[in-house]
Amino acid sequence: EIVMTQSPATLSVSPGERATLSCRASQSVSSNLAWYQQKPGQAPRLLIYGASTRDTGVPVRFNGWGSGTEFTLYISSLQSEDFAVYYCQQYNSWPLTFGGGTKVEIK
Amino acid sequence: QVQLVQSGSELKKPGASVKVSCRASGYIFTKFAMNWVRQAPGQGLEWMGGINTNTGSPTYAQGFTGRFVFSLDTAVNTAYLQISSLKAEDTAVYYCARGDYCNSDGCSPGEIDPWGQGTLVTVSS
Repeated sequence: EIVMTQSPATLSVSPGERATLSCRASQSVSSNLAWYQQKPGQAPRLLIYGASTRDTGVPVRFNGWGSGTEFTLYISSLQSEDFAVYYCQQYNSWPLTFGGGTKVEIK
Repeated sequence: QVQLVQSGSELKKPGASVKVSCRASGYIFTKFAMNWVRQAPGQGLEWMGGINTNTGSPTYAQGFTGRFVFSLDTAVNTAYLQISSLKAEDTAVYYCARGDYCNSDGCSPGEIDPWGQGTLVTVSS
């Protein structure tokens, strides 16, 4: 099983600033990496797949980067609606596995 | 549009069973895997496994064998999760979520989209 590790667990950012979220895989997942956003009381929403491709309707301030074992989600100029929990997920092999999440909170 | 609609919240006693439904619309149901994901209170996302909607063959993640059963009714584009012998630690929100393509040979692992709205299962005496 591929273990996904996200850091930091919590990120405090002021509105308008940039957030940098990290995700590491225990072995290479190539570019088979997705990012999800989850707000309180809501289901997760797919943001990024293929490590860097934004899903339909995702704002351009969300950018994914990386391949192999190291991945990053950048959120430029944080808006109020961006404060949420973000999860990475690998789909290079079964079983599908998620990282533990990074909570982006208002500083 | 592609949509997954789950059944409502459930309150069950320990030892009982529960069956959660997930009705799909907006796409060809038998072409995509259906995944099940658990989220315990205040915790992260945990992939429980999924089902090949083309063949009906389920795959269970470690820790979700024995008491958990995935099934389908392709006539009504609906997937089901049944949990038997419920325990307090089964209290969680359960999501169905569409996966990647399936055929008679299996399903490809893929990103998960869209997700159902979630079903809260509470197990309490």
